[in-house]
Amino acid sequence: GAGVSQSPSNKVTEKGKDVELRCDPISGHTALYWYRQSLGQGLEFLIYFQGNSAPDKSGLPSDRFSAERTGGSVSTLTIQRTQQEDSAVYLCASSEHSSGNTIYFGEGSWLTVV
Amino acid sequence: GENVEQHPSTLSVQEGDSAVIKCTYSDSASNYFPWYKQELGKRPQLIIDIRSNVGEKKDQRIAVTLNKTAEHFSLHITETQPEDSAVYFCAASSSYSSASKIIFGSGTRLSIRP
Repeated sequence: GAGVSQSPSNKVTEKGKDVELRCDPISGHTALYWYRQSLGQGLEFLIYFQGNSAPDKSGLPSDRFSAERTGGSVSTLTIQRTQQEDSAVYLCASSEHSSGNTIYFGEGSWLTVV
Repeated sequence: GENVEQHPSTLSVQEGDSAVIKCTYSDSASNYFPWYKQELGKRPQLIIDIRSNVGEKKDQRIAVTLNKTAEHFSLHITETQPEDSAVYFCAASSSYSSASKIIFGSGTRLSIRP
């Protein structure tokens, strides 16, 4: 595709429900990142996938958060038992090869937990 | 691990004046330094980047300088215009290791006063 694609673009969910956010990286990009951005705040790193290496999960805030990347392409970020503080924009980004290359962001998935 | 410090967190300048944002990094292996601009409600987008083999790079009104010895780099915007108002993020990464992820600064909210 032309860019990083994320879905859904907006999601409103009830507290306690599970949500799945999807990211389609740019074709051929082996590196994929997930970030969380609360209103007016910076980019909070969540998880990093690089090729077939074990993902860097050091940014996941709790065990309610998990992510997968199947076939080295599409990634899904899952938040279980959502809390109001999970409300934020979840941004996905991808790049060619490894670090040292430009990363491109998707439009983000705006999550609101009510 | 890598840590990127960014200053100031907010910056207000008169239209037509210059703006400077500074970042320091802690990993001496870092060799790629991009800058991203994020307008309100939009995704971060790359505006300029620099690699460690050069000390300065310019693109019209935007320039980035890098001091490898002191481990800091700066974004310079000259002749500021209202459309420059946004949040700017610096970042650092190393291409020497595929496991090395890109690290972002905390962001600078730039406001241009008419």
